[in-house]
Amino acid sequence: SYVLTQPPSVSVAPGQTARITCGGNNIGSKSVHWYQQKPGQAPVLVVYDDSDRPSGIPERFSGSNSGNTATLTISRVEAGDEADYYCQVWDSSSDHPGVFGGGTKLTVL
Amino acid sequence: QLQLQESGPGLVKPSETLSLTCTVSGGSISSSSYYWGWIRQPPGKGLEWIGSIYYSGSTYYNPSLKSRVTISVDTSKNQFSLKLSSVTAADTAVYYCARQEAHFDYWGQGTLVTVSS
Repeated sequence: SYVLTQPPSVSVAPGQTARITCGGNNIGSKSVHWYQQKPGQAPVLVVYDDSDRPSGIPERFSGSNSGNTATLTISRVEAGDEADYYCQVWDSSSDHPGVFGGGTKLTVL
Repeated sequence: QLQLQESGPGLVKPSETLSLTCTVSGGSISSSSYYWGWIRQPPGKGLEWIGSIYYSGSTYYNPSLKSRVTISVDTSKNQFSLKLSSVTAADTAVYYCARQEAHFDYWGQGTLVTVSS
């Protein structure tokens, strides 16, 4: 089945830019979605279809996807952005359509 | 505003069947645009997709769970359900239901199910 690989952790100082990667074989040919999950809460969709933002998500959150790597970029990081972030793809033609990455813990220093 | 709410026992014995229901409010489960999915998260671990269902009953399942999972839909009650048979301690997790296109845009709050005797 398809595997999505994320770094376990990323650290960034407030006001700086955080980049969280999601690796997969030819992931650039798929649509990638990103979720933010804070402790004790359900995940929240922050980017879908590689780079679109749901309503209510700040413009500081953006996404890109090319080749074998998709990236979630958080600009001007705030303390409130500290959370776990997961990437996800869906391929209805696959025998395992729904796949999540292992998650990345974003720490704001 | 669409809302989803999981319900079901919080404690299940090993070898028994876990049963959960997701009630959808603020919108129709019969919408042609969406699937409805189940996702779980063991304590301290990542998200795992379990399966998804269309209002017509068409399903997708995680192949690692397929032999034990059944997802069904009741459009008259605006609900969909999850059954996971022959559970073990490894099935202890927070179980979420969610609305799905390719992405999951609305989630329930999640319900912790513990497998223990």
